[in-house]
Amino acid sequence: AQTVTQSQPEMSVQEAETVTLSCTYDTSESNYYLFWYKQPPSRQMILVIRQEAYKQQNATENRFSVNFQKAAKSFSLKISDSQLGDTAMYFCAFLLDSGAGSYQLTFGKGTKLSVIP
Amino acid sequence: EAGVVQSPRYKIIEKKQPVAFWCNPISGHNTLYWYLQNLGQGPELLIRYENEEAVDDSQLPKDRFSAERLKGVDSTLKIQPAELGDSAVYLCASSRGSGRNNEQFFGPGTRLTVL
Repeated sequence: AQTVTQSQPEMSVQEAETVTLSCTYDTSESNYYLFWYKQPPSRQMILVIRQEAYKQQNATENRFSVNFQKAAKSFSLKISDSQLGDTAMYFCAFLLDSGAGSYQLTFGKGTKLSVIP
Repeated sequence: EAGVVQSPRYKIIEKKQPVAFWCNPISGHNTLYWYLQNLGQGPELLIRYENEEAVDDSQLPKDRFSAERLKGVDSTLKIQPAELGDSAVYLCASSRGSGRNNEQFFGPGTRLTVL
């Protein structure tokens, strides 16, 4: 079974600063996908960034970037120039083929990020 | 494009009462998911539909939970009878398909409180 671990239950960062959220996972598979989801206080979860395991290049989306270390099974999220709207729960998630071409998401427990003015 | 719609947003019931949640996925999305999110936890899949067929319900407690997706569009998740431990947020998500390139879009969830 796959597991996703987020070791930081809560973090805070000053507005305009940079913060890194950690995620580790465990799997024996070689072909999978990793995601970071953001869940603001209104609770609608949205996708922030995704990474294919076969790609060595780290994904970036504007102020969001990842550090994907496949051998270490580590997938951290860096948020640059933090904004008040970044305040949310952040979930790391792992996607694996659950059979017959269908894929299942496994989530970590989340990190609550607070951006301080 | 409208997002995933869920109702009600909040529900408070007494234990042993029945409760139902409704989800309307994004138009054209064939795959629909119901997730359970306990406080301080990430979502956990309860059931996945491909059109009107439930193709993965291994995590659904079938003694009290049931779900349906008539006509392959809207879906309803029911709990009967509810227990105190069912207090949680129930999330619905949809995607065009269930392959690896299909992003899941989430609804706002229904927060259930069982007293």
